[in-house]
Amino acid sequence: AQSVSQHNHHVILSEAASLELGCNYSYGGTVNLFWYVQYPGQHLQLLLKYFSGDPLVKGIKGFEAEFIKSKFSFNLRKPSVQWSDTAEYFCAVTIYGNNRLAFGKGNQVVVIP
Amino acid sequence: DTGVSQNPRHKITKRGQNVTFRCDPISEHNRLYWYRQTLGQGPEFLTYFQNEAQLEKSRLLSDRFSAERPKGSFSTLEIQRTEQGDSAMYLCASSPEGTAKDYYTFGSGTRLTVV
Repeated sequence: AQSVSQHNHHVILSEAASLELGCNYSYGGTVNLFWYVQYPGQHLQLLLKYFSGDPLVKGIKGFEAEFIKSKFSFNLRKPSVQWSDTAEYFCAVTIYGNNRLAFGKGNQVVVIP
Repeated sequence: DTGVSQNPRHKITKRGQNVTFRCDPISEHNRLYWYRQTLGQGPEFLTYFQNEAQLEKSRLLSDRFSAERPKGSFSTLEIQRTEQGDSAMYLCASSPEGTAKDYYTFGSGTRLTVV
């Protein structure tokens, strides 16, 4: 079964610091990759997605992610975080042709003003 | 609001009682999903409908759980004889039919607390 690993479950950083969240998946076939964000008290929202093409994907709010197939990774980055980026971030994967989203455990990110 | 709507937002119930949650997907989406999220974990897949047909069920969905989508629009998730381990956030999502390039829109969830 596919699995998704996210490390460093809790991340605390100051405003303007750079953020990188790691995501690794275990499936060797064609995958679709997603990062979702959940702000306090809100529903899961799509940050960005990768299906094919340019492995560097740009999403909303200045986030980007890079798909490295050889490393089975899809790491999320933001060069300069803001207090409003405080949220939980989830990496998720679907296998091509399968509708089931497999999520990682999430990263709780706290940005200190 | 044309997003995915879930009711109720919160439910507190005594152990052994039955509970039912409702999900109204985006109207043009014919795929509907239920997920469960516990503290410190990512959402876990429970079941999936395409129109009114329930096409896939997770092993997490014990025989106390049943989901329906009778007219291919809204869906209900019922838990019978609730247990404390059922306490979680129950998420609904919908997506349009298409290639693997579709993606989900999630609702705000129903938080269940079994006491």
